[in-house]
Amino acid sequence: NAGVTQTPKFQVLKTGQSMTLQCAQDMNHNSMYWYRQDPGMGLRLIYYSASEGTTDKGEVPNGYNVSRLNKREFSLRLESAAPSQTSVYFCASSEYAGVYGYTFGSGTRLTVV
Amino acid sequence: KQEVTQIPAALSVPEGENLVLNCSFTDSAIYNLQWFRQDPGKGLTSLLLIQSSQREQTSGRLNASLDKSSGRSTLYIAASQPGDSATYLCAVRNTGGFKTIFGAGTRLFVKA
Repeated sequence: NAGVTQTPKFQVLKTGQSMTLQCAQDMNHNSMYWYRQDPGMGLRLIYYSASEGTTDKGEVPNGYNVSRLNKREFSLRLESAAPSQTSVYFCASSEYAGVYGYTFGSGTRLTVV
Repeated sequence: KQEVTQIPAALSVPEGENLVLNCSFTDSAIYNLQWFRQDPGKGLTSLLLIQSSQREQTSGRLNASLDKSSGRSTLYIAASQPGDSATYLCAVRNTGGFKTIFGAGTRLFVKA
């Protein structure tokens, strides 16, 4: 099925470990996004990529890096995980800049101990 | 700064009832507003997208309205079913930049 695919679905990290969350979309969308969702705080934008070759910071970028590998793939890296990064991470894509709405992946549940 | 509020945070209704979920926003300079459904432990599923030039959108038992002047959108669910139990989120795309602000959601429980 067409859509946004995220891997892994679950991950437990120790404080200080690093990892990369992977995201791929097959809808030929130009824009891709990484959000985190925490209880009572809604979704907050970490980083986004308006188009292939560009990335920009969102609302909560500290502690994260991203790579827009190609038009399909957008990865999120935690260089040194902290307990405050325990969250559910969602990747999303849109045709361009959200003007036609967003499509979300199923999420990665990350726990940092 | 755009703020999006969804009230109530939780709602419990008996099966068959018609219900309205509310979404309010503070800045009327929006590009569009999107309603999503999120089941526990799952991602967000898009329900309806209303562009700023539109007043409403319908899909099956769902109807979403948009009133920019009052900063409000409502999601109407007709003849609610237990399968409608989920969290409903609204997201507002501002006209400037790439900003989309999400509400915290309304958790709906439909009792059989």
